[in-house]
Amino acid sequence: EAGVAQSPRYKIIEKRQSVAFWCNPISGHATLYWYQQILGQGPKLLIQFQNNGVVDDSQLPKDRFSAERLKGVDSTLKIQPAKLEDSAVYLCASSLEGLAGVGEQFFGPGTRLTVL
Amino acid sequence: QKEVEQNSGPLSVPEGAIASLNCTYSDRGSQSFFWYRQYSGKSPELIMFIYSNGDKEDGRFTAQLNKASQYVSLLIRDSQPSDSATYLCAVELVFGQGTRLTINP
Repeated sequence: EAGVAQSPRYKIIEKRQSVAFWCNPISGHATLYWYQQILGQGPKLLIQFQNNGVVDDSQLPKDRFSAERLKGVDSTLKIQPAKLEDSAVYLCASSLEGLAGVGEQFFGPGTRLTVL
Repeated sequence: QKEVEQNSGPLSVPEGAIASLNCTYSDRGSQSFFWYRQYSGKSPELIMFIYSNGDKEDGRFTAQLNKASQYVSLLIRDSQPSDSATYLCAVELVFGQGTRLTINP
């Protein structure tokens, strides 16, 4: 079974530029998550999709970040314009529904973003 | 604001000993608890999940949950150098900062 795919793996941009990340979840996984992981910290949830609907985007900085999941499969996360503090690894994860509503998450390899 | 607290470490344990990792959480209504392992430069991978009070064992790993005390722990028996990594506690979708574990040969 193929895992969660993400691209690109690395991206270096200058502040105020825009950037987009792509994620393809495990086949059959209805739930997709985007996390931001700053060095030395745990992952922080940015947005959760159930099929193509948003379940939780309360921690997404909506003035600069946007995400979509058209057709309930692939997803794109965009930052426009980027700030220095956006330097982090952006992780995509997917899951089936768990017994208590939150299932085990399978993470992609991540995209390491450096903003100069 | 839901919070998950872990000691960032580093925690150093001799090879063959038991490593004990702990986590506390703020939301008393939480129902899903996970332990992930993250090697340096890699993404998190699931080790254990637990939903009910008590212990759950899987090979050398045991997860313990005490909802009354809002406390989750992970025990690693017969620790190996390959267990050296950062261990992330997640309560539903909120992650702790992780505990860095080093197993010394």
